[in-house]
Amino acid sequence: SSELTQDPAVSVALGQTVRITCQGDSLRSYYASWYQQKPGQAPVLVIYGKNNRPSGIPDRFSGSSSGNTASLTITGAQAEDEADYYCNSRDSSGNPSYVFGTGTKVTVL
Amino acid sequence: EVQLVESGGGLVKPGGSLRLSCAASGFTFSNAWMSWVRQAPGKGLEWVGRIKSKTDGGTTDYAAPVKGRFTISRDDSKNTLYLQMNSLKTEDTAVYYCTTFRAYCTNGVCLEYFQHWGQGTLVTVSS
Repeated sequence: SSELTQDPAVSVALGQTVRITCQGDSLRSYYASWYQQKPGQAPVLVIYGKNNRPSGIPDRFSGSSSGNTASLTITGAQAEDEADYYCNSRDSSGNPSYVFGTGTKVTVL
Repeated sequence: EVQLVESGGGLVKPGGSLRLSCAASGFTFSNAWMSWVRQAPGKGLEWVGRIKSKTDGGTTDYAAPVKGRFTISRDDSKNTLYLQMNSLKTEDTAVYYCTTFRAYCTNGVCLEYFQHWGQGTLVTVSS
């Protein structure tokens, strides 16, 4: 199996930009997807593939990847973006097994 | 609008069994790959398993912690996904989410992701 490591928590001032990173060997071979989870709610897909947003996700959310690191950037963070964010990818073994990152709590100040 | 509604959660003793259901609507369920993801109280997300559509073979894959104890199945006539959980352990206590799972390749790039999520059902394993 493999692990995906995220910073436990980050904070951002309202309207500023924050980048959340996800590190793991599997990211050298597979794209990450990103999920937003607000307290008491189910996760929501925000980014998948190289930089694809599902319908309804604001364009202030973007994704990128380099080497073993995937990043989710929120440009112009809003109060409603305060949430936990998880990355995910296939296990580095190549088997159909999927691993989630450890999660990052984003606080909007 | 895609809707996934889980049911069947509850309190069960260690060693017991439980079957979760996920009623799907708003999309062609028979064509969809589906997955279960769980979240222990106060913890992160953990993939449980996946089932392909019958046209893609209908095969299943499981995470190591549940392999041999959990079984995912589907009834396309009822638009329903199931998770049969046997030999339950206290560490299986979690909210269980049903999700649609997209997997496809385009322009030489293969993408996999959990697209739509239900609201989850809580399973508590305790004596």
